[in-house]
Amino acid sequence: DQQVKQNSPSLSVQEGRISILNCDYTNSMFDYFLWYKKYPAEGPTFLISISSIKDKNEDGRFTVFLNKSAKHLSLHIVPSQPGDSAVYFCAASARNQGGKLIFGQGTELSVKP
Amino acid sequence: DVKVTQSSRYLVKRTGEKVFLECVQDMDHENMFWYRQDPGLGLRLIYFSYDVKMKEKGDIPEGYSVSREKKERFSLILESASTNQTSMYLCASSLYAGAGYEQYFGPGTRLTVT
Repeated sequence: DQQVKQNSPSLSVQEGRISILNCDYTNSMFDYFLWYKKYPAEGPTFLISISSIKDKNEDGRFTVFLNKSAKHLSLHIVPSQPGDSAVYFCAASARNQGGKLIFGQGTELSVKP
Repeated sequence: DVKVTQSSRYLVKRTGEKVFLECVQDMDHENMFWYRQDPGLGLRLIYFSYDVKMKEKGDIPEGYSVSREKKERFSLILESASTNQTSMYLCASSLYAGAGYEQYFGPGTRLTVT
């Protein structure tokens, strides 16, 4: 049973526009959410995170929004750049699960020049 | 910078072979993890360890075992490799247990079992 879902396997965006990647979760005990970025033949790298006590966290071009009532989070990239082309994974953890991360399936973002 | 290294980038093994995947981290992290990544399934946790000689099953431990004899090293063992274990294997470490601590990943090992 997939507790964290990324329903869009792929997304294509024009350079300079906004990229919006979505993630839904089912476990209300999740209290910390992270986004990872993965290039081919490399391990995932941490991008940005948000605690469940917040609804928004921003870091440069990257902003994560959390809607707890809808059990939904999204990653906004503005403006998108060709170097942002990668697979993005959403992950969630719960304090009572000792730091285990549950990952979504990933969304492959392609930013076209 | 945290560095997590994995012993091989690519491996090809035959069905029934015993396979060892090694992972080393250089930042004195308490926790280490093994995942596999498959298309459409994301990253799935195989095993993790909070301390030396400690191990906990993840979501898909069947067919795998692990060993953590030293803090910096976490090994994944496929006792008898099968074709359905063909996958990308990723090792990760984090400073502490608990939500809010990001995990740092190695580059991955692409294992093919023929």
